[in-house]
Amino acid sequence: DAGVIQSPRHEVTEMGQEVTLRCKPISGHDYLFWYRQTMMRGLELLIYFNNNVPIDDSGMPEDRFSAKMPNASFSTLKIQPSEPRDSAVYFCASSFIKAGPSREETQYFGPGTRLLVL
Amino acid sequence: KQEVTQIPAALSVPEGENLVLNCSFTDSAIYNLQWFRQDPGKGLTSLLLIQSSQREQTSGRLNASLDKSSGRSTLYIAASQPGDSATYLCAVISGGGADGLTFGKGTHLIIQP
Repeated sequence: DAGVIQSPRHEVTEMGQEVTLRCKPISGHDYLFWYRQTMMRGLELLIYFNNNVPIDDSGMPEDRFSAKMPNASFSTLKIQPSEPRDSAVYFCASSFIKAGPSREETQYFGPGTRLLVL
Repeated sequence: KQEVTQIPAALSVPEGENLVLNCSFTDSAIYNLQWFRQDPGKGLTSLLLIQSSQREQTSGRLNASLDKSSGRSTLYIAASQPGDSATYLCAVISGGGADGLTFGKGTHLIIQP
C-alpha cells in the first residue's frame, strides 16, 4: 500500500485566496483525521470522519475552515479565505479500529502539506 | 480536557547511551498511547502503540511503558545511534468517545556521533 497520500506537498498563497488540501487514506481504513501542526501549538486535531461521516469538528478553528469526505478514498480540507495565521503543516491520517475490548488503533500519517499564506 | 506533556523538550546525548523520554497525561481514562517519530520536514512514523490494558511494548531497541493510574509513559531507547536523532511525540486517545489523538509537543533528540 502507498500509505496516506496528501497533495499538494507545499502550497504558497496570498491572503484571501481559497486553499484546498487533499487526502487519500489507506484503502480499507474507516477513520480519517485532519491535524494541524504549528511551532506554537504543536499538533492539534481539526476534524475526523468515520465511514465518511464527520464525527467531531470541534477542533476546526473558524468557519473559514471546512472539510468533506465524499467517498471512502478521498477527503478535502478547505480554507476560504486564507489568512497568514493559517500557515502551518496540515496532516491527514487514517486508521482501522480492530474489534475487541480495547481500542486497537494505529493512526498512519501522510507526509503533510506545508501551507504558507503571505 | 486531556493535556499531554513531554519532558524534556530537547535532549542531546553521545552515541551509545541509553536514554529515557517522558510523557505525562492529565486524564487517565485513555484508550491507548502511541509514540511517534518525526524527522525534520517529514510526516509522523508510528513507533509503538500501548493499549490501555497493557503495561509495555517493545520494538527492537525501543521499549515503551505505560502507567495509566499515574498518567505516565516512558520511551526507552537503548544503545542510541545518530540515526535516532529526531523529534519524538507522545499521543493518547482519550475516553468519552473522542477518537482523535491528543499530542504532546515532543522531545527533540540529538545523538552526537
